[in-house]
Amino acid sequence: DVKVTQSSRYLVKRTGEKVFLECVQDMDHENMFWYRQDPGLGLRLIYFSYDVKMKEKGDIPEGYSVSREKKERFSLILESASTNQTSMYLCASSLAGVAGGGNEQFFGPGTRLTVL
Amino acid sequence: AQRVTQPEKLLSVFKGAPVELKCNYSYSGSPELFWYVQYSRQRLQLLLRHISRESIKGFTADLNKGETSFHLKKPFAQEEDSAMYYCAIHTSGTYKYIFGTGTRLKVLA
Repeated sequence: DVKVTQSSRYLVKRTGEKVFLECVQDMDHENMFWYRQDPGLGLRLIYFSYDVKMKEKGDIPEGYSVSREKKERFSLILESASTNQTSMYLCASSLAGVAGGGNEQFFGPGTRLTVL
Repeated sequence: AQRVTQPEKLLSVFKGAPVELKCNYSYSGSPELFWYVQYSRQRLQLLLRHISRESIKGFTADLNKGETSFHLKKPFAQEEDSAMYYCAIHTSGTYKYIFGTGTRLKVLA
């Protein structure tokens, strides 16, 4: 059974704190993604990575950074948490597509982050 | 810019009634389209993708390039279909997937 796990289901942090969200997949997938999920806004891509140490900005990267030191692990970092970063964060992974094609994304259970 | 539009935030139907969840996209190339579903307290998961042309849990979706639509349909809704549904597009030659804002389907007894 394929698995994407996220380090925490719920997290409460204070404004200005540095926050780390961890994601691990056991499917040997090349691609990994971080999204935030907000009511009425759907899923918005923060960052993605197509290989170890490779990363690209998504649609809303401001205030976030990422790290991918190992193929199975993709970390999202909030350098200085703010209240507008209160959200559900979803990690996903997928195989690299043939000729740039898309593949099914497998999602983690999500981390609900509250910034006070 | 690529975009996916799901015009309905909430769709309520009675059990046994037909269901159609709308999805329109804007993309000049050849898109790959997906429907993802999130049941209560479960993780987001793939329901179907247009290239597979499958029927999953009674749902089908046909890509209409002329209307740039990929509507999700089911002839007879069941209570267990109640969930959040997201339409997504993958643009060729990139790693990105773009999701719509989602439609919550409620199937009433």
